Amino acid sequence: RKEVEQDPGPFNVPEGATVAFNCTYSNSASQSFFWYRQDCRKEPKLLMSVYSSGNEDGRFTAQLNRASQYISLLIRDSKLSDSATYLCVVNHVSRRALTFGSGTRLQVQP
Amino acid sequence: SQTIHQWPATLVQPVGSPLSLECTVEGTSNPNLYWYRQAAGRGLQLLFYSVGIGQISSEVPQNLSASRPQDRQFILSSKKLLLSDSGFYLCAWSAPYEQYFGPGTRLTVT
Repeated sequence: RKEVEQDPGPFNVPEGATVAFNCTYSNSASQSFFWYRQDCRKEPKLLMSVYSSGNEDGRFTAQLNRASQYISLLIRDSKLSDSATYLCVVNHVSRRALTFGSGTRLQVQP
Repeated sequence: SQTIHQWPATLVQPVGSPLSLECTVEGTSNPNLYWYRQAAGRGLQLLFYSVGIGQISSEVPQNLSASRPQDRQFILSSKKLLLSDSGFYLCAWSAPYEQYFGPGTRLTVT
């Protein structure tokens, strides 16, 4: 079983739609959680950290459910520029490096 | 502010040739540094990380090596490239848990 699992997609949605991605992680000792965005042939860029209480940044909302070991990302009012691959990322204290999911591809269509 | 540089941006090398990729970070001291590889259509694979000068941890056995000769310099090397070494090589630094990536080097081994 992979440490971090994501549905690869693609998720094809029209502009203005709301889309949600989920991610599950296997290590219950995980402590830090992030969503990264990666455009085609570019480096991943930090989108947002995920806090236990949930957090929002504009059109993006991240939630963490420690009991079920999953993380979600909600994008409201999708824009064409949101088209990218979204990577779920987890860190636990026994490792100094992050563990990346394989990503979920989003394609927003006009 | 912190910036991370990688070069070259693209590289085409024949099988059996040596490799040297360089990464430098500005605007921070004693960063944790990482090398990842992303094969075409795949997730990020952690190759090496370093918590200080001369301190290298290897995550995956392979024909690559890493060195950290200075605090903000991280080098990825190989004596003889294999076809399977083709991919997108990314350097990252962490602060303290989020990671920030350089622009990457796209390596094609022919």
